[in-house]
Parts: sequence; structure tokens; C-alpha cells
Amino acid sequence: SYELTQPPSVSVSPGQTASITCSGDKLGEKYACWYQQKSGQSPVLVIFRDSKRPSGIPERFSGSNSGNTATLTISGTQAMDEADYYCQAWDSSTVVFGGGTKLTVL
Amino acid sequence: EVQLVESGGGLVQPGGSLRLSCAASGFTFSSYVMSWVRQARGKGLEWVSGISGSGTSTYYADSVKGRFTISRDNYQNTLYLEMNSLRGEDTAVYYCAKHPGDYASGLDPWGQGTLVTVSS
Repeated sequence: SYELTQPPSVSVSPGQTASITCSGDKLGEKYACWYQQKSGQSPVLVIFRDSKRPSGIPERFSGSNSGNTATLTISGTQAMDEADYYCQAWDSSTVVFGGGTKLTVL
Repeated sequence: EVQLVESGGGLVQPGGSLRLSCAASGFTFSSYVMSWVRQARGKGLEWVSGISGSGTSTYYADSVKGRFTISRDNYQNTLYLEMNSLRGEDTAVYYCAKHPGDYASGLDPWGQGTLVTVSS
């Protein structure tokens, strides 16, 4: 079965840029999505179709996908961005999630 | 406003059954693929099952295939997940989510989730 691999944790200082990676075999040939999940809340879609932002998602969130790696980038990271982030792709009519990355803003 | 409200969770013994519901509003329910996703406490997201807008096509994760059945009532705007032969590892918060477009569009929005606990 298809697997997506994320680093368990990423730390960033306020105002700096955070990058969270998601690796999978030929992931660049699929579309990647990203979700933010704050403590005790339901996941929220922040990036779809590799790099598109849903309405209401701040411009500081961006995404890219090439080769075997998709990347979520948060520019000018704010304290409110501290959360778990999950990548997601489709494979053989099934939805696949990465294991999640805890973003700490300190 | 699109809303998804799950219900039906609770405590069930191993080997037991439970049916989850997801009441949808604010959009043309029959036009969209829907999914169930679960999350064990302190763990990541795991996709469980999906169903086409018409209900004619269904998809399952290997971990639940043969035990869970997804269905929908497009007149009642409700999504269901029938869970049988439940195991301890099925303990999780279960979310329903809408696929707003094609496979590249992600899942958006998600409901608030309903907790299923499998324990004796």
C-alpha cells in the first residue's frame, strides 16, 4: 500500500519560515493536500491540488510538490500556526494520509 | 453554510456493532463524494471509507474491509457507517468529511467527530 512519510516534529521561531515535508514514491505525479489540526479540533484543509489555498486560509500558507516530495511552507509563522499538520494524497481510489508533523512555534 | 454533524458513537464491547450517522446540510448532498476518517487518541488520521455521490461506488481501507459498510441516504442527506465485529483498535474519533471536488480537492469540511470506544 502507498505510504506518505512526514517528520514527527518541526520547530520554528515566530516570524520565521517553517517547512514541512511529505515523502512518497512518485508523489509529484499525484496531487498533495495539507490539513491543519489544532489541539482538540477537527482537521482543516489548508492546501489542495499541491499549492491552492481554500478561501479563508492566509497567504502565508503555500505548497509545492515535485519528484517524491511535497512541501508545506508557512511564511512569517505565527503562534496561532502551532498545530499538527497532515499531508494527504490519493492512491488506487483510496485516501492516504501522512503520519503527521507537530509544528512548534517557540 | 456547509455543516456535517456526526452521531452514534459510544461504548461497545469487542465483537459488537455500532452505526454512525453524519447529517449534512448547506449543500447538494447527492452531488458529492463523502468519506469517514478516524483518529485514535494521540495518533494520526486514518481514512476508513468513501462513497460516491450516488452511493453506487464504495471504497474501504484494508483495516476495515469486510467489517464496515458505508452507505448514504440522499433523501435524508445523511451518511452512515455500519461497524461490525469491532476490535479494540477501532477505538477512535470518527469524522465524516466532504470531498468538495475531484480527487485533488482534498476533504473539506470535516465534522466535529464522534467517539467510538471498543472495550469490555
